[in-house]
Amino acid sequence: GNSVTQMEGPVTLSEEAFLTINCTYTATGYPSLFWYVQYPGEGLQLLLKATKADDKGSNKGFEATYRKETTSFHLEKGSVQVSDSAVYFCALYKDNQGGKLIFGQGTELSVKP
Amino acid sequence: NAGVTQTPKFRILKIGQSMTLQCTQDMNHNYMYWYRQDPGMGLKLIYYSVGAGITDKGEVPNGYNVSRSTTEDFPLRLELAAPSQTSVYFCASLRSSGNTIYFGEGSWLTVV
Repeated sequence: GNSVTQMEGPVTLSEEAFLTINCTYTATGYPSLFWYVQYPGEGLQLLLKATKADDKGSNKGFEATYRKETTSFHLEKGSVQVSDSAVYFCALYKDNQGGKLIFGQGTELSVKP
Repeated sequence: NAGVTQTPKFRILKIGQSMTLQCTQDMNHNYMYWYRQDPGMGLKLIYYSVGAGITDKGEVPNGYNVSRSTTEDFPLRLELAAPSQTSVYFCASLRSSGNTIYFGEGSWLTVV
């Protein structure tokens, strides 16, 4: 069945460091892929998305490219800030799989000044 | 824009009590979902629905029930609350032909 695997956290970085959070998926065909962010005590917010192979989603300095050949959707940011400290979730949706929306386990990011 | 509305935001239940978490969306979305998020953990799918009158179990359905009598509403029922159901619950919706998921703000439930 469909699944999403994220790198384990917590990830601790210094401010202005480069960020990569790995996400790989298992699915047939071409699912839509998402990154969601959850700040402490809050709900989930859509960060970016990509709906077909080689699409690049971007928002607030974050980027992720839909790589069909490696079934990956890694999240990157060139220079993180303390305010980026949050939990990041990778998710997959495939319309013809009964409507299930599958999330990875989340990766906690902590950015130190 | 109301989007996805969940109530209540916070609730404390005693073991054995019952309650319903309400979820309403005003975007005419076909698909709706209930997730739970335990501390430090990811999202686990409890139940989902692809349209009015249709519901399906997710990964962790035990101890919960749902109904989908209208497109707008997708309530989640806890019949005999247990401490293991202490969690944060999120409702979400999606238009079947779309690719953007909308989440409610979450309901923090504690069972003591």
